[in-house]
Amino acid sequence: QKEVEQDPGPLSVPEGAIVSLNCTYSNSAFQYFMWYRQYSRKGPELLMYTYSSGNKEDGRFTAQVDKSSKYISLFIRDSQPSDSATYLCAAGGSFQKLVFGTGTRLLVSP
Amino acid sequence: SQTIHQWPATLVQPVGSPLSLECTVEGTSNPNLYWYRQAAGRGLQLLFYSVGIGQISSEVPQNLSASRPQDRQFILSSKKLLLSDSGFYLCAWSRTLSEQYFGPGTRLTVT
Repeated sequence: QKEVEQDPGPLSVPEGAIVSLNCTYSNSAFQYFMWYRQYSRKGPELLMYTYSSGNKEDGRFTAQVDKSSKYISLFIRDSQPSDSATYLCAAGGSFQKLVFGTGTRLLVSP
Repeated sequence: SQTIHQWPATLVQPVGSPLSLECTVEGTSNPNLYWYRQAAGRGLQLLFYSVGIGQISSEVPQNLSASRPQDRQFILSSKKLLLSDSGFYLCAWSRTLSEQYFGPGTRLTVT
């Protein structure tokens, strides 16, 4: 079992839709969680950082962590074609390393 | 602000040739540094990480090596490349126990 699991997609939505991206993890020692956006042939870009459980909002993006169910979510409101990318979730604990999901490819059509 | 550089951006090398990829970070001191490889359709595989000059931890047995000759410089090397070394190599930095920031990556094709 992978420590962080993520559906590879692709997930196709029309412009303006609300997008829900999800990950599950198995290691209860994970304390902080991240979402990255990666455009084709580019390095991942940090979108959201969350420590422990709860929600965090930044513009159209909301990150949610439920440690009781080991579930990580990213919501994108009013999705735009420019949001089309691969989204990676990551988790870390009391060590120097992160564990990444394999990424979900999102396609937003105009 | 902090920036991270990688070069070269793309590289085509024959099997058996050596490799040297460089990563430098600006605007911070004593960062944690990481090398990842991303194969097509797969996730990020951590290759090496370093918490200080000369301190390298290897995650995956392979024909690659890493060095950190200066505080903000991280080098990935190989003496003899294999076909399986092809991929997208990413360098990242972080402060202790926090989010990682990635460089633009180097796309390596071994022919």
